[in-house]
Amino acid sequence: SAVISQKPSRDICQRGTSLTIQCQVDSQVTMMFWYRQQPGQSLTLIATANQGSEATYESGFVIDKFPISRPNLTFSTLTVSNMSPEDSSIYLCSVEHSATNEKLFFGSGTQLSVL
Amino acid sequence: GNSVTQMEGPVTLSEEAFLTINCTYTATGYPSLFWYVQYPGEGLQLLLKATKADDKGSNKGFEATYRKETTSFHLEKGSVQVSDSAVYFCALSGNTGNQFYFGTGTSLTVIP
Repeated sequence: SAVISQKPSRDICQRGTSLTIQCQVDSQVTMMFWYRQQPGQSLTLIATANQGSEATYESGFVIDKFPISRPNLTFSTLTVSNMSPEDSSIYLCSVEHSATNEKLFFGSGTQLSVL
Repeated sequence: GNSVTQMEGPVTLSEEAFLTINCTYTATGYPSLFWYVQYPGEGLQLLLKATKADDKGSNKGFEATYRKETTSFHLEKGSVQVSDSAVYFCALSGNTGNQFYFGTGTSLTVIP
């Protein structure tokens, strides 16, 4: 299995500021993803973090708002920029571990509240 | 397109009661189907999965059968325990790409 450490686990931020969320995996993985879980809603894929190149964003998400880094096969960051209260959500890092039969592993998430 | 519709919660059951959480899906092609569980303060964990029609996934006493004719993947457990209290997510993965589609989650509370 893959163990994912995500931090911070929660934060309360002011409108207009930015927050960077870190995701560290205990083994090299090919695919890393960032999801958002808004209150009372399902998980929505924000983007696929690509090692050594720009992330691939899903419809409705843009790089200027959610810049993503992936410097190597075990680490990624997601920044939520110029935050507004609508960005209050749980943000989840996820990886696909090709060496196991389990498709997706998830971090414990970052609970973000924007005032 | 692909989507998952999941029974809304919250669900509260007494210990040893029978559990069913309904899940239906819309998909093109032949998706794989999953149930994930999220215990308080933790990330999502895979509970069980099924990759083709009529497959039954099972784990920890939970079961779900991939029913193509009814496009369903209902989660069942014969006798729930307090430790089963968690949020349960139904999900599908299409047969192209890595996109997962999740239901909204069903919160289950089991009381002694």
